[in-house]
Amino acid sequence: EDKVVQSPLSLVVHEGDTVTLNCSYEVTNFRSLLWYKQEKKAPTFLFMLTSSGIEKKSGRLSSILDNKELFSILNITATQTGDSAVYLCAVEDRHYGGATNKLIFGTGTLLAVQP
Amino acid sequence: EAQVTQNPRYLITVTGKKLTVTCSQNMNHEYMSWYRQDPGLGLRQIYYSMNVEVTDKGDVPEGYKVSRKEKRNFPLILESPSPNQTSLYFCASSLEPGLALIGELFFGEGSRLTVL
Repeated sequence: EDKVVQSPLSLVVHEGDTVTLNCSYEVTNFRSLLWYKQEKKAPTFLFMLTSSGIEKKSGRLSSILDNKELFSILNITATQTGDSAVYLCAVEDRHYGGATNKLIFGTGTLLAVQP
Repeated sequence: EAQVTQNPRYLITVTGKKLTVTCSQNMNHEYMSWYRQDPGLGLRQIYYSMNVEVTDKGDVPEGYKVSRKEKRNFPLILESPSPNQTSLYFCASSLEPGLALIGELFFGEGSRLTVL
């Protein structure tokens, strides 16, 4: 069965700390992995990763994919209170027999950054 | 401004009373999808649409209907809502359909539905 597992489920840190969020997956035919940030509303896109070993970076956030070991990490350095959110990982799986690929979401990691 | 708009944002209804949640996008996206989000279960796909008049079931389609008569609109219909459909619903769209990557999904603000 296809699955995406995120860890930890929740995390509390202080401003300035560095955090690493994990996403492991088992899918039939991997196509891409996406990270989203969800505050109290719609998820917003962070990164899409398709190639193993290539880091994607945006400000204090970075992410890398290992498609041999089937996981990705999302790093946030120098955390701020505005980083508090649920971080969602989704894996796109090639969907044979269906009209399009399938996105499978993990349950998310709740990050709380304290002042 | 590029956006996905859902209405209503909040709704409390009673079992069996038909309701429709509208979704509209102004980005000319071909791919649209509905998800429900429940604690501990993450986002689960209800239905998706590749283009006008092309819709297909996701993982949890029971109790829902959709239609795609125009490219910009993708309403979600609950013909006879039940309490187990109490959830937070998201509509999303993407430019790239088919066997190309779905890619970045643009989400609406969410519709919180309570069925009593």
